[in-house]
Order: sequence, then C-alpha cells, then structure tokens
Amino acid sequence: KAGVTQTPRYLIKTRGQQVTLSCSPISGHRSVSWYQQTPGQGLQFLFEYFSETQRNKGNFPGRFSGRQFSNSRSEMNVSTLELGDSALYLCASSLSTGDYGYTFGSGTRLTVV
Amino acid sequence: QKEVEQDPGPLSVPEGAIVSLNCTYSNSAFQYFMWYRQYSRKGPELLMYTYSSGNKEDGRFTAQVDKSSKYISLFIRDSQPSDSATYLCAFQAAGNKLTFGGGTRVLVKP
Repeated sequence: KAGVTQTPRYLIKTRGQQVTLSCSPISGHRSVSWYQQTPGQGLQFLFEYFSETQRNKGNFPGRFSGRQFSNSRSEMNVSTLELGDSALYLCASSLSTGDYGYTFGSGTRLTVV
Repeated sequence: QKEVEQDPGPLSVPEGAIVSLNCTYSNSAFQYFMWYRQYSRKGPELLMYTYSSGNKEDGRFTAQVDKSSKYISLFIRDSQPSDSATYLCAFQAAGNKLTFGGGTRVLVKP
C-alpha cells in the first residue's frame, strides 16, 4: 500500500514569504502529525490533527499553522518565514490520535534564504 | 535537564559486531517506548515498540526497557553495512505526542 506522501520534497523560499506543505496519509489513517527536524533541536512536535480537528499542539509560534481535510489529507503553513525555519518538515500518519504506530513520510526540506 | 538524553555518536563498529544504543528519560508519564531508524534524506521508520519493562526481540533487534531506571536500549546483532543510519529513541505518554531523542548516528564498516 502507498505510504505517507509529502509534497514538495524540496523548497527554497525567501525570508518574509509564506509556504504551504502538503501531506497525504496512508489510506485509512485518520490522524496526521507534523514534526520539524533540525540538526540542533532534533525532531520537535508541531501539531496533530484527527478528524479535521487539532488535537495536540507543540511549542511553536502562531506563524505555524495547519489544517486537515475531510479526506484526512493535511497541510501546514508557515507565514513570515525566518532563516531559522529552515528544516526538514515531517508528516506522520496513524490510525487514530495518540496511536503509537506512526508512519512517517520522507519529509519536505525547506530552505529559507 | 532534558526530557530525553541520547548520545549523538557517531558509533562506528565493524560488520558483524553488536550495536548497543541507549536513551535515558525523565518523564514518568511515558508509557510507550519506541526505536526509529532514519536513513539520510528519509523519514524515520519504526523499528521496535514496547510498553512494558523487559526485553522484546524481533529478528536481529532487541529492545530493552527498564522503567525503574528510566533507561531504554536497542541492540542490533550481526550488524550489516545496511544498518548504518541514525537511530532515534522515542517516547509517548498515553494519547500524547511523540518525544524523540536527538538520535545516534551508527556506521557499520565492511
């Protein structure tokens, strides 16, 4: 079966711009979580969505937002990009919220210049 | 004190050796204990999970959890060059997000 699909794979943006990343979960998975991975901070939780509702949120500024659609696909948006937002953004899907069986996508590599 | 401590490595071993990885944690609410493997330019892949103290074996992999010491380990027997990757420990309290260690980079030399 198809895995978690993230698009685009690579992205270069300029400071101050905004960006939208997309995640298609495994078929049947209703929970989608987003993580930011950087060399300095490692993997940090951004937020989790289940049935179009945000269930958990990490300690990130309001510039980071997300949403989930009725087909469980999810998008995350970062507004007013800063250099420090350069990172690998990973999406993970699971059957239900809080389920330990997360499957990660390959991520979107965002570079802010 | 960090919630999770994991030695970043790199850990370099010859092919066929046993790889030993470990993490310590401080949050007593963690109930699920996981190990992920991450290859370069890929997302993490779940290797092992457990929710109780003791050992769990899956092929060449053994996960060990000691809740009283707040310490988890992963052992890889008969290591192969294809095991070269970054290994991440992860923890989860019931119904909550995953909390990851910083990862240990492992190099298995032929």
